[in-house]
Amino acid sequence: NAGVTQTPKFRVLKTGQSMTLLCAQDMNHEYMYWYRQDPGMGLRLIHYSVGEGTTAKGEVPDGYNVSRLKKQNFLLGLESAAPSQTSVYFCASSPTYRDRGKSNQPQHFGDGTRLSIL
Amino acid sequence: LAKTTQPISMDSYEGQEVNITCSHNNIATNDYITWYQQFPSQGPRFIIQGYKTKVTNEVASLFIPADRKSSTLSLPRVSLSDTAVYYCLVGDINAGNNRKLIWGLGTSLAVNP
Repeated sequence: NAGVTQTPKFRVLKTGQSMTLLCAQDMNHEYMYWYRQDPGMGLRLIHYSVGEGTTAKGEVPDGYNVSRLKKQNFLLGLESAAPSQTSVYFCASSPTYRDRGKSNQPQHFGDGTRLSIL
Repeated sequence: LAKTTQPISMDSYEGQEVNITCSHNNIATNDYITWYQQFPSQGPRFIIQGYKTKVTNEVASLFIPADRKSSTLSLPRVSLSDTAVYYCLVGDINAGNNRKLIWGLGTSLAVNP
């Protein structure tokens, strides 16, 4: 079972360069998320999507854009990379079943993309 | 805004029970409280979630009081392979139309022989 696959696993960019991180899931999940994880700051939500063709801002969206053209893929773009965006980026997906109106279903994570911006 | 607080680190020995508590206020009333485990160079992995009272699965138990202002993850008889960082996750009561998930900063558990 592939689960959630992130590509690339590592990348080094120069300030001002652009790039796209790809996330693919094979579990037919509706929800997908992009996080960044920095030492001492835990996981912070960048953007998320509740379904194909929809995206929404999370806690730290500035400097990033996302697209969800296909249900199984969620792309994270950096238009003009900055050193402050050096981080480990995680993608996750979750189902949307409702249990008596409760949300926040378990998320399945990829193994991360380690991005360094010089 | 919702806020979570959990111990930065804990030490234990093989075979002991470990309890990790996360304090959280102003959390969404319709969200589960969820705990994840993370090993180095891997993404977080779901352990357990609950809404109120006690939930138990094959790896852990989760205790949530009626006021939902805290939750305690209980790991019975830990082994060396339980050495990891443990995170609590809640939803923010003030998220409005945008989803806001509040992750704890993680508790680094070290299990010693």
